[in-house]
Amino acid sequence: DIQMTQSPSSLSASVGDRVTITCRASQDISNYLAWFQQKPGKAPRSLIYFSSSLQSGVPSKFSGSGSGTDFTLTISSLQPEDFATYYCQQYKSYPLTFGGGTRVEIK
Amino acid sequence: EVQLVVSGGGLVQPGGSLRLSCAASGFTLSSYDMKWVRQAPGKGLEWISYISSSRSTIYYADSVKGRFTISRDNAKNSLFLQMNSLRAEDTAVYYCARDDFDSRGRRVPFDYWGQGIPVTVSS
Repeated sequence: DIQMTQSPSSLSASVGDRVTITCRASQDISNYLAWFQQKPGKAPRSLIYFSSSLQSGVPSKFSGSGSGTDFTLTISSLQPEDFATYYCQQYKSYPLTFGGGTRVEIK
Repeated sequence: EVQLVVSGGGLVQPGGSLRLSCAASGFTLSSYDMKWVRQAPGKGLEWISYISSSRSTIYYADSVKGRFTISRDNAKNSLFLQMNSLRAEDTAVYYCARDDFDSRGRRVPFDYWGQGIPVTVSS
């Protein structure tokens, strides 16, 4: 199974900050990496797929990059609605696996 | 508007069974691959099952293999998850989700999610 490791597990940031979350795969997954946002009590929301492609309707402040084993999600200017937990997920092979999540909190 | 509505959750004793349903609207279910994902209380996301649009391909996570069965009724625009031999560790919120493909033919995983439904396995 492919293990997905996110870092940090949590971070505190201020409105307007640029935030970067890292995701590492235990083996080469090419660009088959997606990012999701989840707010408490809500279903996850798709943000990014194929490492860097923005999901329809997602604001351009979100961006993804990386290939192979190392990936990043960047939020260019954090807004109050962006405080949530973010998950990466590989879909190179089954079983599909998610990272442990990164909780973004208000400083 | 694309919607996925999950039903059938609740409290069940260890060893018992439940059947979850995921009703799709705003799109034709038969054209899409579908998945189930769960989230234990305070924990992260865990993929548990996949079924292709044609039903020809099905996958399960090891944690549920042999106990859970995914199925779909394309005529009723519905996805199902039959859960047998339930254990305390199956306690979670269960989500159904859809895969799509973009204009370049690339898979877009989990592009829409159902609202999630809690399943509690306890005596």
